[in-house]
Amino acid sequence: DQQVKQNSPSLSVQEGRISILNCDYTNSMFDYFLWYKKYPAEGPTFLISISSIKDKNEDGRFTVFLNKSAKHLSLHIVPSQPGDSAVYFCAATSGANNLFFGTGTRLTVIP
Amino acid sequence: KAGVTQTPRYLIKTRGQQVTLSCSPISGHRSVSWYQQTPGQGLQFLFEYFSETQRNKGNFPGRFSGRQFSNSRSEMNVSTLELGDSALYLCASSWAPGGRMNTEAFFGQGTRLTVV
Repeated sequence: DQQVKQNSPSLSVQEGRISILNCDYTNSMFDYFLWYKKYPAEGPTFLISISSIKDKNEDGRFTVFLNKSAKHLSLHIVPSQPGDSAVYFCAATSGANNLFFGTGTRLTVIP
Repeated sequence: KAGVTQTPRYLIKTRGQQVTLSCSPISGHRSVSWYQQTPGQGLQFLFEYFSETQRNKGNFPGRFSGRQFSNSRSEMNVSTLELGDSALYLCASSWAPGGRMNTEAFFGQGTRLTVV
């Protein structure tokens, strides 16, 4: 049972435009959410996180939005750069439990 | 400081064999988690170890097992390999256990296991 879902396997965006990656979850106990970025032949690297007490967290070009009532979060990248091309995973957790990951979205930023 | 080291990087095994994968965490990190990555399934949690004790276990059959040594290095073992076990196996280390602390988790490059 996939508790964290990323329904878009891929996304293509023009350089300079906004990239929006979406993630849905089913477990209402999740209270902490993270985004990881993964390049080929490398392990995932942490990008940004958000606690359930917030609805927005911003770090430079990256902003994560959380809509608890819809059990939905999104990652906005503005402006998108070719170096952002990677697979993005969202993850969720509660308490001291392990992370539950989504299936990933492959972002391609076209120069 | 050195990152998370996983060995070997690539492995080809035959159905029915068993395999052992190794993960050396970042110095000072005592928590090691293992994940299986397959196309369409994302990263599936296998298990987490902290101070040589398994804290959490994912929904995988008993053929998948692991352990952690006193120096925090961890191994995972898969017995009676099946074709469906072909995947990228990733380990992540952090200074403390639990998903929340994974904001400071660092992943290794993974071991690509192919079962033929």
